[in-house]
Amino acid sequence: DTGVSQDPRHKITKRGQNVTFRCDPISEHNRLYWYRQTLGQGPEFLTYFQNEAQLEKSRLLSDRFSAERPKGSFSTLEIQRTEQGDSAMYLCASSLRGASGGARDTQYFGPGTRLTVL
Amino acid sequence: AQKITQTQPGMFVQEKEAVTLDCTYDTSDPSYGLFWYKQPSSGEMIFLIYQGSYDQQNATEGRYSLNFQKARKSANLVISASQLGDSAMYFCAMREGGGGFKTIFGAGTRLFVKA
Repeated sequence: DTGVSQDPRHKITKRGQNVTFRCDPISEHNRLYWYRQTLGQGPEFLTYFQNEAQLEKSRLLSDRFSAERPKGSFSTLEIQRTEQGDSAMYLCASSLRGASGGARDTQYFGPGTRLTVL
Repeated sequence: AQKITQTQPGMFVQEKEAVTLDCTYDTSDPSYGLFWYKQPSSGEMIFLIYQGSYDQQNATEGRYSLNFQKARKSANLVISASQLGDSAMYFCAMREGGGGFKTIFGAGTRLFVKA
């Protein structure tokens, strides 16, 4: 399977604990995105990497959240001191920056990690 | 500021009939892209179709077509010959081409296909 993969698929944790999620993009894709999706809503942008550089972060990404993409391949999203409001589906997507650049950026999504904070 | 509006929380369609899912958007950037994604109950977002703001013709991908009305800022998805497997959430999304990287999504429309 050459699609985007995410691990784990489900995570249950207690409030105050730290959690880390991993995303492996499609191998030739140089762009990687993280989104958060709560029940009944569309995905909300969290952050974006082009290769290993984190180029944009949403205001939704508080100081408790950190994302890395150390070698421009896989990425991790860590949430420190989790709160019940962090319970959501965390989606990763990847895309390939094409010659045309600009708005055409077809993102391919992974299956997501569902986080439940008790 | 970018905004995507999907006004239909839920839609019903009879199998084999066509259905239109509405999407309106707002942006001040003349260059932008519009996307539709399908999210079945399994949770994975599946890319369906793309329309660029400068594209002269409406996009089509198999049974999916995008009715792009630029002046009205609408990008409705038309699904022809609905199938039971089309039952899912559908999200309209937009990305501006002016150098930003953020893609915003609408709240979605849940489609139910009846046998």
